[in-house]
Amino acid sequence: SQQGEEDPQALSIQEGENATMNCSYKTSINNLQWYRQNSGRGLVHLILIRSNEREKHSGRLRVTLDTSKKSSSLLITASRAADTASYFCATVGGGSNYKLTFGKGTLLTVNP
Amino acid sequence: EAGVAQSPRYKIIEKRQSVAFWCNPISGHATLYWYQQILGQGPKLLIQFQNNGVVDDSQLPKDRFSAERLKGVDSTLKIQPAKLEDSAVYLCASSLDPRLNTGELFFGEGSRLTVL
Repeated sequence: SQQGEEDPQALSIQEGENATMNCSYKTSINNLQWYRQNSGRGLVHLILIRSNEREKHSGRLRVTLDTSKKSSSLLITASRAADTASYFCATVGGGSNYKLTFGKGTLLTVNP
Repeated sequence: EAGVAQSPRYKIIEKRQSVAFWCNPISGHATLYWYQQILGQGPKLLIQFQNNGVVDDSQLPKDRFSAERLKGVDSTLKIQPAKLEDSAVYLCASSLDPRLNTGELFFGEGSRLTVL
């Protein structure tokens, strides 16, 4: 079963605009990770946020985590055509369950 | 540093035939994962190894899928006999941190299977 649910399923923006993707999950987590997948390629890790963290930055990426609402958001600022890809959130379960479970992803298209 | 290697990249077979995929993880990574990704969906964990022991295979269809990781390094995933619904990309990943507290998964490029 898939833990995370990304929203929206697809997002189309112009270069230079910001892109925001949301992820909701159902059970307690140890941490939440975001991955990117270019068409026909493997997934690439972007950022990890732990359950006791609320916000994290990495370059043009900003991730927030609200454990009370069981949700996370990924913000990409000043988007570029090269950011076009699918973005997945993945949760690592709490307790002794260290399985990484992926959502269905958001397809981001950045138009030049 | 070499990444996760997978082969073959593409495979087309008829239903009821068998197929095998190979994965070589990043050197030193004790944990290895096989994920199945159907078109338009997120990856679904099939099996997770810690060294050469199985940690989780709860979503592996054991009547047709098998996987092994001999000597705790390379791994093979086999499907026999294949069904139409097995058409997907099979992704291998490895990680240094088995608890994924600080670590991340490193993915290979995947093996795309088409079952006709």
